[in-house]
Amino acid sequence: AQTVTQSQPEMSVQEAETVTLSCTYDTSESDYYLFWYKQPPSRQMILVIRQEAYKQQNATENRFSVNFQKAAKSFSLKISDSQLGDAAMYFCAYGPDSGGGADGLTFGKGTHLIIQP
Amino acid sequence: EAGVTQSPTHLIKTRGQQATLRCSPISGHTSVYWYQQALGLGLQFLLWYDEGEERNRGNFPPRFSGRQFPNYSSELNVNALELEDSALYLCASSFASTYSYEQYFGPGTRLTVT
Repeated sequence: AQTVTQSQPEMSVQEAETVTLSCTYDTSESDYYLFWYKQPPSRQMILVIRQEAYKQQNATENRFSVNFQKAAKSFSLKISDSQLGDAAMYFCAYGPDSGGGADGLTFGKGTHLIIQP
Repeated sequence: EAGVTQSPTHLIKTRGQQATLRCSPISGHTSVYWYQQALGLGLQFLLWYDEGEERNRGNFPPRFSGRQFPNYSSELNVNALELEDSALYLCASSFASTYSYEQYFGPGTRLTVT
């Protein structure tokens, strides 16, 4: 079974600074997807960024980028120029390849990100 | 384009009762996933429906069941409610079973069992 571990229950960063959220996972598969989701107080889960395991290039979406280390099974999220609107719970998730959603996505327990003005 | 919708927003039930939660996927999506997010925990996979059939379920007792209708909307039923069933229940949809890596989430239903 796949597992996802987020070792930082809470992180705090000054507005406009950079913060990195950590995530490790365990799987015996070679093809899979990794995700970072954001859940603000409104509860809506919002996809921040997705990484395909077969791609060596790290995914980037505006101020959000990942550091994907496949051999180390590590998948960290870097948020640059942090903004007050970035405050939320961030979940790292693992998903199967396009062969089907048999087990759904596997989520970590989340990191609560606080942005200090 | 409308996103995934869920109803009701909040639901308060008494232990032993039954709860019914509803989900409407994005138009054109055929797969629906249900997740439970208990306090302090990440999301736990509950059920997966595709093309009207239950395809898989997570490690939850049979009290958790549901169905998918011909219009691909879905219903989650929780029977004989227990206090620990109190949680946020999230529904997600994807274009098809082969697009499970692209799930779009609804806003959730907060179920409180007293």
